[in-house]
Amino acid sequence: GAVVSQHPSRVICKSGTSVKIECRSLDFQATTMFWYRQFPKKSLMLMATSNEGSKATYEQGVEKDKFLINHASLTLSTLTVTSAHPEDSSFYICSARSSGRAGDTQYFGPGTRLTVL
Amino acid sequence: GENVEQHPSTLSVQEGDSAVIKCTYSDSASNYFPWYKQELGKRPQLIIDIRSNVGEKKDQRIAVTLNKTAKHFSLHITETQPEDSAVYFCAANGRPGTASKLTFGTGTRLQVTL
Repeated sequence: GAVVSQHPSRVICKSGTSVKIECRSLDFQATTMFWYRQFPKKSLMLMATSNEGSKATYEQGVEKDKFLINHASLTLSTLTVTSAHPEDSSFYICSARSSGRAGDTQYFGPGTRLTVL
Repeated sequence: GENVEQHPSTLSVQEGDSAVIKCTYSDSASNYFPWYKQELGKRPQLIIDIRSNVGEKKDQRIAVTLNKTAKHFSLHITETQPEDSAVYFCAANGRPGTASKLTFGTGTRLQVTL
């Protein structure tokens, strides 16, 4: 099956620093990747859609200057949380949609738990 | 945009019984409806999906039904086992093709008791 990796799995940082999270599709090419945020015992909230070679599309209420997304290749998208604050602490999950497979199937990465002190 | 509602929020069943989770969607353009299972601290795993050109799909103990007219779809798990305990999310794609993006339901926490 399709495999999506995410790194790091956990990160603890000080308030004001920036954190970069990588999302990779390991065995397929992903023209589109998605970044979600998930609070404890809550659903997946889409933050932005990342398209290879173009600017990301952000959902309403998501600050594009705070959550920088880069989709430089068909297998890699990165999310950078800039000037992180404690309220940014959350579980961030990426997913990838294969250009070679049927329809809209998305495969998720294992997630990154971010804790901002 | 698409809006997906999911019920119930929690569901407790005895081992061997069946479990049913229901979702409704708002956008008639949606044509893809996946179901994901998420264990605590883990990634959501796709367990079954259905497209709008079929009304039912089955995979061993799991089945999904779709009623396009009523805009609702359901997940059925038969002969439940303790390892089925997890949070289940339904989703709808909002629109087909490259512009599609999944909107998730609020999740159902399933507890299978011995």
